[in-house]
Amino acid sequence: EPEVTQTPSHQVTQMGQEVILRCVPISNHLYFYWYRQILGQKVEFLVSFYNNEISEKSEIFDDQFSVERPDGSNFTLKIRSTKLEDSAMYFCASTALTSTDTQYFGPGTRLTVL
Amino acid sequence: KNEVEQSPQNLTAQEGEFITINCSYSVGISALHWLQQHPGGGIVSLFMLSSGKKKHGRLIATINIQEKHSSLHITASHPRDSAVYICARRNEKLTFGTGTRLTIIP
Repeated sequence: EPEVTQTPSHQVTQMGQEVILRCVPISNHLYFYWYRQILGQKVEFLVSFYNNEISEKSEIFDDQFSVERPDGSNFTLKIRSTKLEDSAMYFCASTALTSTDTQYFGPGTRLTVL
Repeated sequence: KNEVEQSPQNLTAQEGEFITINCSYSVGISALHWLQQHPGGGIVSLFMLSSGKKKHGRLIATINIQEKHSSLHITASHPRDSAVYICARRNEKLTFGTGTRLTIIP
C-alpha cells in the first residue's frame, strides 16, 4: 500500500542552525501538509500546499519557515534559524483531494534543538 | 477555547469492554477525522466521515452534524487498542482535538 515517507526520523541541531525536513507524499496526491506536535501537546497545523504554492498557513508558520516541492516527489519544510521552541515532532501528510479525501500521514521527524 | 473538544482525556478499561470516546466541535465542518496515534508517535487515519456512521472491524464512528458531535466506539477492546485517539475537524486543514489516551488492561 502506498505510504508517505519522511526523513530523517530524528534530527538534532544547534539553535540558530537551518534544518530541512523531507517528505515524499503518495505519488498521485496533489495536496500536501505539514503539522507539528510539541511533546505533550496536540497536533497543530502549519501549512498546506497545492499547485506549487501555499494555500493556507497558520500563525506558527512565520518567516523562519518555508516549504518547497523541488521536484515531482519531494516536499520539504525548511526552518531557517531554529529556536529551542521548534523542538517537536513534524508530520507531513498528503491527500488526493482537499475536502473529500482522507489525509495520509508520514511517520514524523522528531526535531530536537539544543 | 479549543475548537475541538474530546472526552474523556484518559480512559483505562479492562480487555473486552466496550469503549466510547466523544468529540464535540464548535464550527461547521466538511468532514471529521478520527486518528490513532501510537506510542512511537505515528499517526494513522481511522475514519473520515461527514454523516451517519462508519464501521471498520471493531471500530465504529458516528457523527451528528446538527449537534456537532461525533463518537468513536471500540467493541471487544484489546490491549493492542491502547493508543491516543484524536478527532480532528476538516475544512481544508485539520484542526485537532487534544486526544484521548486509552489504556486497555489485559
